[in-house]
Amino acid sequence: DAKTTQPPSMDCAEGRAANLPCNHSTISGNEYVYWYRQIHSQGPQYIIHGLKNNETNEMASLIITEDRKSSTLILPHATLRDTAVYYCIVEYGNSGYSTLTFGKGTMLLVSP
Amino acid sequence: DTGVSQDPRHKITKRGQNVTFRCDPISEHNRLYWYRQTLGQGPEFLTYFQNEAQLEKSRLLSDRFSAERPKGSFSTLEIQRTEQGDSAMYLCASSPEEGTGEQYFGPGTRLTVT
Repeated sequence: DAKTTQPPSMDCAEGRAANLPCNHSTISGNEYVYWYRQIHSQGPQYIIHGLKNNETNEMASLIITEDRKSSTLILPHATLRDTAVYYCIVEYGNSGYSTLTFGKGTMLLVSP
Repeated sequence: DTGVSQDPRHKITKRGQNVTFRCDPISEHNRLYWYRQTLGQGPEFLTYFQNEAQLEKSRLLSDRFSAERPKGSFSTLEIQRTEQGDSAMYLCASSPEEGTGEQYFGPGTRLTVT
């Protein structure tokens, strides 16, 4: 079973920031938080991951709380093409190998 | 495009037939994964290869399923005696040995068993 809890759906206006929450209260010290998204009829796309510190890349920012029990994925300026299912996943990753356990994710709908 | 590729993209077959799917990972990635995704659900892990060695198999991988990666490059997933419950999207992903677990997925093969 997935180790994370996400809202089933969220809405966002185009051009605004999308903040997607994720709870992972049972995360262990060496487990990473990964975010993927899946646009309709495509394979999942890796977005970002982190261990303790906040992370930012060209796609998004990841904010992890100090106790690591929750995180937020931020898409700073959402576009219509960001409409997708977003998955938050907690797994061991420091060996370079992990079998991802996907939940149902959050369906983000970006509207004009 | 140097991403993960899968072939075919769509396959329709009759119950009881055998099907085989192919995955070509990103060329420098030695780790390869297969997942299955049914409608409305997230992907579920099936099996994992490091180079040509199959190191992990999910209990979802019944005896009718077999996967190979003979030369540590492309991989095949075969389903024998297909059943209607096998209808799903079959996804392949790859990752580099030196990474921190992030995986890169192909577009998937959509299987429909009639």
